[in-house]
Amino acid sequence: EPEVTQTPSHQVTQMGQEVILRCVPISNHLYFYWYRQILGQKVEFLVSFYNNEISEKSEIFDDQFSVERPDGSNFTLKIRSTKLEDSAMYFCASRGLAHEQYFGPGTRLTVT
Amino acid sequence: DAKTTQPTSMDCAEGRAANLPCNHSTISGNEYVYWYRQIHSQGPQYIIHGLKNNETNEMASLIITEDRKSSTLILPHATLRDTAVYYCIVRVAVYSGGGADGLTFGKGTHLIIQP
Repeated sequence: EPEVTQTPSHQVTQMGQEVILRCVPISNHLYFYWYRQILGQKVEFLVSFYNNEISEKSEIFDDQFSVERPDGSNFTLKIRSTKLEDSAMYFCASRGLAHEQYFGPGTRLTVT
Repeated sequence: DAKTTQPTSMDCAEGRAANLPCNHSTISGNEYVYWYRQIHSQGPQYIIHGLKNNETNEMASLIITEDRKSSTLILPHATLRDTAVYYCIVRVAVYSGGGADGLTFGKGTHLIIQP
């Protein structure tokens, strides 16, 4: 069964450093998403992406964040200068025909 | 998206049916009911969705009341692996495209399956 994959599973970085989180969505899906979940809190929507551009973004998705689909399979989230409060699980998702979303296993980002 | 209300937590014995309610009294005619769950530290998992008819798949059944103001997710034979937070989300689904539909997760129902 096709699934969304994410790498790495855990990323540790120092404050101020840039990180890139990677995702491979399900191959025939066209809409892609990033969400984050701070420990103990709700899953929060960050951004959606379609046809090589951002479709929607939340207030959380400020200028420190960017997304890209560099090739036909990968979808990335870049955080330019990480802050302590960026520590969270980051989930990638892609959307099926019935608008159901399939999530990856997540990347745990720890900013020290 | 219509607001939903779910109980904070529920217990169910292993092997029994788990019935998770959701109220969505302000649902619009073109809004679907979606259910997701999140097992501890994993990514949310899509379970099922419906508009007005009852739906069943390999994971669960979804019963939507005739007035569509509430629904129940049924896990027919709950196992310990079904312990998770279950989210009821109401939103428009436009099959012909359009809409970026980032999901809004509430607090959900923490379902605990007891051995």
